[in-house]
Amino acid sequence: DGGITQSPKYLFRKEGQNVTLSCEQNLNHDAMYWYRQDPGQGLRLIYYSQIVNDFQKGDIAEGYSVSREKKESFPLTVTSAQKNPTAFYLCASSILPPGNGAEAFFGQGTRLTVV
Amino acid sequence: GIQVEQSPPDLILQEGANSTLRCNFSDSVNNLQWFHQNPWGQLINLFYIPSGTKQNGRLSATTVATERYSLLYISSSQTTDSGVYFCAVEPPGANSKLTFGKGITLSVRP
Repeated sequence: DGGITQSPKYLFRKEGQNVTLSCEQNLNHDAMYWYRQDPGQGLRLIYYSQIVNDFQKGDIAEGYSVSREKKESFPLTVTSAQKNPTAFYLCASSILPPGNGAEAFFGQGTRLTVV
Repeated sequence: GIQVEQSPPDLILQEGANSTLRCNFSDSVNNLQWFHQNPWGQLINLFYIPSGTKQNGRLSATTVATERYSLLYISSSQTTDSGVYFCAVEPPGANSKLTFGKGITLSVRP
């Protein structure tokens, strides 16, 4: 089945540790995105990538890093510099880059808790 | 950047009732999507509707782009319709981003 797979679903991290969230898509989409959702809030954009080996900061990139070495993969690293990392993280993709009006599709999300 | 306002913030319905959810946005858009976030957090695509009217079963949506609003109609609501409904918009232009409203929390009671 075509879709976006995020793993793991739940992740616990100790303070001061980096952690990497996985996002894989088999939709052959060019663009991929990472969003963060806090309780009772909408989604905020962390990073996005329009094409392999390219990525751009979103609205809340501080404390996060990404890579896009393959078209189908866009991992997100939450570094120890992120002050409030506990949140729900959602990965998305679209067939065209941002600004072209393409429909976005989302994975099932990863819930990160810092303990 | 573009502003997205959804109303009402919370809605409680009796099963079988109809409802209208509203999304206002502050600028022209070339993408508008409605999502339903289920209790497990997954965002389900309901409609891709930058303009016009679409229907899918008990749900329908209308976007009046010239007046900068969109409406999501739920008819004969069911308990499984409960959850959070998000509107997201993307203005035209290079590097513009999909911007989300804060969502509408719908509770359908049996």
